[in-house]
Amino acid sequence: QITLKESGPPVVEPTQTLTLTCTFSGFSLSSRGAGVGWIRQPPGKALEWLALIYWDDDKRYSASLKDRLTLTKGTSENQVVLTMTNMDAVDTGTYYCALQKVNGGVSFYFDPWGQGTLVTVSS
Amino acid sequence: QSVLTQPPSVSGAPGQRVTISCTGSSSNIGTIYAVHWYQQVPGTAPKLLIYGNNNRPSGVPDRFSGSKSGTSASLAITGLQAEDEAEYFCQSYDSRLNGHVFGTGTKVTVL
Repeated sequence: QITLKESGPPVVEPTQTLTLTCTFSGFSLSSRGAGVGWIRQPPGKALEWLALIYWDDDKRYSASLKDRLTLTKGTSENQVVLTMTNMDAVDTGTYYCALQKVNGGVSFYFDPWGQGTLVTVSS
Repeated sequence: QSVLTQPPSVSGAPGQRVTISCTGSSSNIGTIYAVHWYQQVPGTAPKLLIYGNNNRPSGVPDRFSGSKSGTSASLAITGLQAEDEAEYFCQSYDSRLNGHVFGTGTKVTVL
């Protein structure tokens, strides 16, 4: 069974850096083709893809946020760490990590998802 | 800002059929990249509903079906049930943005 779980601070002050950890089980990020993505959702709004890290350490970032995002593999082989700099109130929302699945090279989707962690940006 | 556009809401009586559209462009849905659908019950994480345009993961009822044509895709729910009340999001890959894109989301209400 594959599971993912996000962890991090529930509150971050404006201008500070957010660090979130995704801890997963049931798969290895060292396996060819594996990828873990981050997606966020402001309260009552749509999902927004943020970043993705592949088994070979290749990383992809949202074009609109790439200057603020950094993805790394954690110190444990079953963790991925996302950092987002210069946090603002508009960054408030639930942050999810999810396993990216690939089918035939033209089908990229997320399954399963972690439960999400709510981050509020406030002083 | 979402790249894929969905109607904010759709509704139907139990047993009816409803459809949700997902409109994109020539750099995402209009390419070879597939469209996927997620169901999100309030307060919970999104759950994969349809992948690869029209494939259902194990455990998803066959009342749910997907299709893709041109720069748009659709999700159909036949035999609407009370438990289908949720928010639904489409997702694809955008070759211009080099990243995943999601729809604006559609709330389904069972009357």
